[in-house]
Amino acid sequence: DAGVIQSPRHEVTEMGQEVTLRCKPISGHDYLFWYRQTMMRGLELLIYFNNNVPIDDSGMPEDRFSAKMPNASFSTLKIQPSEPRDSAVYFCASSRTGREYAEAFFGQGTRLTVV
Amino acid sequence: KQEVTQIPAALSVPEGENLVLNCSFTDSAIYNLQWFRQDPGKGLTSLLLIQSSQREQTSGRLNASLDKSSGRSTLYIAASQPGDSATYLCAVKGSGTYKYIFGTGTRLKVLA
Repeated sequence: DAGVIQSPRHEVTEMGQEVTLRCKPISGHDYLFWYRQTMMRGLELLIYFNNNVPIDDSGMPEDRFSAKMPNASFSTLKIQPSEPRDSAVYFCASSRTGREYAEAFFGQGTRLTVV
Repeated sequence: KQEVTQIPAALSVPEGENLVLNCSFTDSAIYNLQWFRQDPGKGLTSLLLIQSSQREQTSGRLNASLDKSSGRSTLYIAASQPGDSATYLCAVKGSGTYKYIFGTGTRLKVLA
């Protein structure tokens, strides 16, 4: 398996533009997580899905952020409009159902810079 | 609300030294705890996962322990090498929520 795949790896955009980050989870994994990493706040959970359904989006900072999972093999995180404070590394992770032994696997991340 | 803390925030040691990284969490109702390694500008690599029913896990020079009742985990690295230099993160998976909550990380530097 190729692991969790994120695209793009780097994104530079101007303030006010729409940004879409993409994630392909590991096949067979039914949990998908979106995280944001900054120097100040570390790794923060934004939202997670189970079987394509959003379970907890309490970490989504504001209405400018939205996430979808149209099928088991694809998810997007959209920021519209983007702001400089959104600059961070965004990670996607997936895991299989199972409570104690389910390991989380992370993608390589998308480094977003909003200028 | 689960809070995860890692001490120390940074550590610099000479090559060959054995070292211990600490992780503490406030809510003992967890399914598992996972240790990750992150190299600069890279993603997270899973090192060890300890289930809530386990007390330790070993992989090569790494040994992770878990004391759920006291809310603590340690990652022991034996005979450290310069290649071990990275940031080490612990994450706990809450029971009932399936969320992974991360610690603040320990930045390790092993000097040759």
